[in-house]
Order: sequence, then structure tokens, then C-alpha cells
Amino acid sequence: ILNVEQSPQSLHVQEGDSTNFTCSFPSSNFYALHWYRWETAKSPEALFVMTLNGDEKKKGRISATLNTKEGYSYLYIKGSQPEDSATYLCAPRGSNSGYALNFGKGTSLLVTP
Amino acid sequence: DARVTQTPRHKVTEMGQEVTMRCQPILGHNTVFWYRQTMMQGLELLAYFRNRAPLDDSGMPKDRFSAEMPDATLATLKIQPSEPRDSAVYFCASGLLQGGNQPQHFGDGTRLSIL
Repeated sequence: ILNVEQSPQSLHVQEGDSTNFTCSFPSSNFYALHWYRWETAKSPEALFVMTLNGDEKKKGRISATLNTKEGYSYLYIKGSQPEDSATYLCAPRGSNSGYALNFGKGTSLLVTP
Repeated sequence: DARVTQTPRHKVTEMGQEVTMRCQPILGHNTVFWYRQTMMQGLELLAYFRNRAPLDDSGMPKDRFSAEMPDATLATLKIQPSEPRDSAVYFCASGLLQGGNQPQHFGDGTRLSIL
């Protein structure tokens, strides 16, 4: 099991602000990193799957980077909107953990108008 | 859009009763996962199947929990006997995992309350 830490635990920003948060994981035995977006009362929704050091993925105003050598990934949201309010989960997958993902506890983002 | 379907959406029952949760994965997906959401642990993996074979159930309390996949369109998670500490939201997810880097698709969950 890969230990994963996400910070901050929660974040409150104003509409239009850009924001970012961090996912940290052990760099050894790394295979892939997943990011999910989880709105209240809904189910987690996949954002990105990243595998290579230096990977950068983008989906609309949301982007993510990956550093496998130092064991971290950043998620960025540009120009936050109230509909971005959700919990953002990262889940690394280890090279020796089969297909299992180990989810972090997430960063809870609240965007107010 | 294809979706993972979980039933029931809500279940309230008394301690000691058997609980069965069902999951219909997305057609064609070869891997099915069961997760439990708790306040303390977040999303924790209970068990998962690949091509209907159980690959890992180390996250599941074996004395009362059991997971099966009787066919490719149905996965079940049973608790017998249930206890109040089992109260949680249980999620099923499926994926078409070839090289293993495809995302998982989650159902809406079963909210379980054991009185």
C-alpha cells in the first residue's frame, strides 16, 4: 500500500481565484497516479491518469503535473468557479499492488461567488 | 453514457441482519472494485475482481463480509451478521484495465445504516 498525503485538507477560495493543491506519495514502486473529482452526494469522477515523470494533463481549467522522482503531483484550477466545489482525490498505484488504488483523504475545495 | 449501477441506494436495517449490496458494472469492463467510505478512512478498498476472479480481498473483514461475482454483469457484497460499525457508504467501481492505467468508473453508492 502506498501512503498518500494530500494538502491542504480543505480550501476556500473566491470565484475567479486560481488555486492548487498537492498529492505526495512514496517515489519508490510508483506505477501510476489517478486524480478524481468528488462532488457531494455524487460518486467520484475520474479526471486524470498519469504515469510518466514530467507528465502534464489538462481538462478545461483543471490541469495536473507529476513528479515521480520526488513523489508529488499538483492539481491546478484556473479561475475557480462555484461548480468546481468538490473534494479532489488522488490515488497512486504501486508497481507491486496489482490494480488497487490507494486513495488519499482528499482536498475539499469550496468556491464562493 | 454507460454507468455502474448499484442497488439498493439506501438500506436501513437492524444489527444482526444480513445485508446484500449489488453492482452491475459497465458492460465490457473486466475489473470490479468494492470500496467503503468512512469519515475516518476516506475511501478504502475492500476487494476487487478481475475477469470475475477475486484478486484481493485483504481490506475486507473476512468473518462477516463476503464478495462474489456470479457472472460478468453482477457483483455482490454481503455482510452477515451486520453491525452498527458497518454503517457507511459502499461504492462499486468498474474499469476496463488492460495495461492497468485506465480510470475506474464509480457507481452512486449504497448508503447503509445499521441500527
